Amino acid sequence: EPEVTQTPSHQVTQMGQEVILRCVPISNHLYFYWYRQILGQKVEFLVSFYNNEISEKSEIFDDQFSVERPDGSNFTLKIRSTKLEDSAMYFCASISTSGYTGELFFGEGSRLTVL
Amino acid sequence: AQKVTQAQTEISVVEKEDVTLDCVYETRDTTYYLFWYKQPPSGELVFLIRRNSFDEQNEISGRYSWNFQKSTSSFNFTITASQVVDSAVYFCALLRFSNTGKLIFGQGTTLQVKP
Repeated sequence: EPEVTQTPSHQVTQMGQEVILRCVPISNHLYFYWYRQILGQKVEFLVSFYNNEISEKSEIFDDQFSVERPDGSNFTLKIRSTKLEDSAMYFCASISTSGYTGELFFGEGSRLTVL
Repeated sequence: AQKVTQAQTEISVVEKEDVTLDCVYETRDTTYYLFWYKQPPSGELVFLIRRNSFDEQNEISGRYSWNFQKSTSSFNFTITASQVVDSAVYFCALLRFSNTGKLIFGQGTTLQVKP
């Protein structure tokens, strides 16, 4: 069964450091997403990405965040200068087509701890 | 505005009991999708079901069943004969038809099944 893979599974960093979370979406998928879940809270949408550009972003996704698809397979989320409140589980997701016809595939998550 | 409410924060049952997790949603759209995801202690998001707004037929999958009622904007989830492995956080989520992949999640219900 195809799957979305994320690395690292857990990263600990110091406040102010840059962090890059990596995702490999399912190969024939066209739409990519990052979601965030602060411990004990609900899952929140961060950003969607299609055709090499951001299609939508939430209020959480401020100038400290950026996404890119540097090659044909990876999809990355960068946090330029981490804050304590960035500590969360970050989920990557992808789907194949527009208009939504199926399941949104989530990766297993990357847990970020900012000290 | 889109909103999903899961009023039950925590539920505790004894194994073999039936349990229903409530989900109430708000949307002005006529076409939308509803989802349930399971998040076990390991943290990943496991897709359980997707329902579109045109299909109000109840669905059963093994011990799981879902009751979608548009009249009350509810999409409740019942586990029959619960098992310890069902212990997890369960999220209900809403997706606008025109919005690819931006899920609106509820706060989640933590289900604890005791042996």
